[in-house]
Amino acid sequence: QSVLTQPPSVSGTPGQRVSISCSGSSSIIGSNYLCWYQQLPGTTPKLLIYGNNQRPSGVPDRFSGSRSGTSASLAISGLRSEDEADYYCAAWDDRLSGRVVFGGGTKLTVL
Amino acid sequence: QVQLMQSGTAVTKPGASVKLSCKASQYTFNSNFFHWVRQAPGQGLEWMGAINPTDGNTLYAQNFPGRVTMTGDTSTTTVYLHLRGLTSDDTALYYCAAGQWLSDAFHIWGQGTMVTVSS
Repeated sequence: QSVLTQPPSVSGTPGQRVSISCSGSSSIIGSNYLCWYQQLPGTTPKLLIYGNNQRPSGVPDRFSGSRSGTSASLAISGLRSEDEADYYCAAWDDRLSGRVVFGGGTKLTVL
Repeated sequence: QVQLMQSGTAVTKPGASVKLSCKASQYTFNSNFFHWVRQAPGQGLEWMGAINPTDGNTLYAQNFPGRVTMTGDTSTTTVYLHLRGLTSDDTALYYCAAGQWLSDAFHIWGQGTMVTVSS
């Protein structure tokens, strides 16, 4: 069982806006920055959002991150077929000498 | 453009060990913490630990008691993951990834090394 909780799957149609949630404890999401990774089928994970809501260079502004309390969300607007992928949230956990924790991942299907 | 170049596929037997490598540019090596993350077939991402290659300090996940060692070689700007006591549960794709500080997001990823443990 993952420390961060994500829905196993979400789906949407092209052009739609979808959101993926990530929830955890106050000691993790409430205290440290959250990031999101996109893993297209058969490829290496790629950083999509860091620092809760910052996009690395090259990531379209269709992708946005937010955090409120002990929950965070990744929103994808103007959904495209190429957005079909697995999405993982991750954060630093200060407990137990420190560690990185991941969510279980969410499979986004573009219908 | 691959910034972290990992070693090739490894096939090994239960009980054996494996040592994986991850080569970075001089700049990347000197300015990042390196992490190892693995992904079993069809599963999610699992953090294994991290190393500051410039001073050798390490932090290991508690899921691998006594089985993991991470090292860095400043002369070749390469970091290594040594995993011992392999079982079939260790069959996975192993990624190295880097961030500018220990708790930073992983801005750079290697291409992954597939490790298969089978008798």
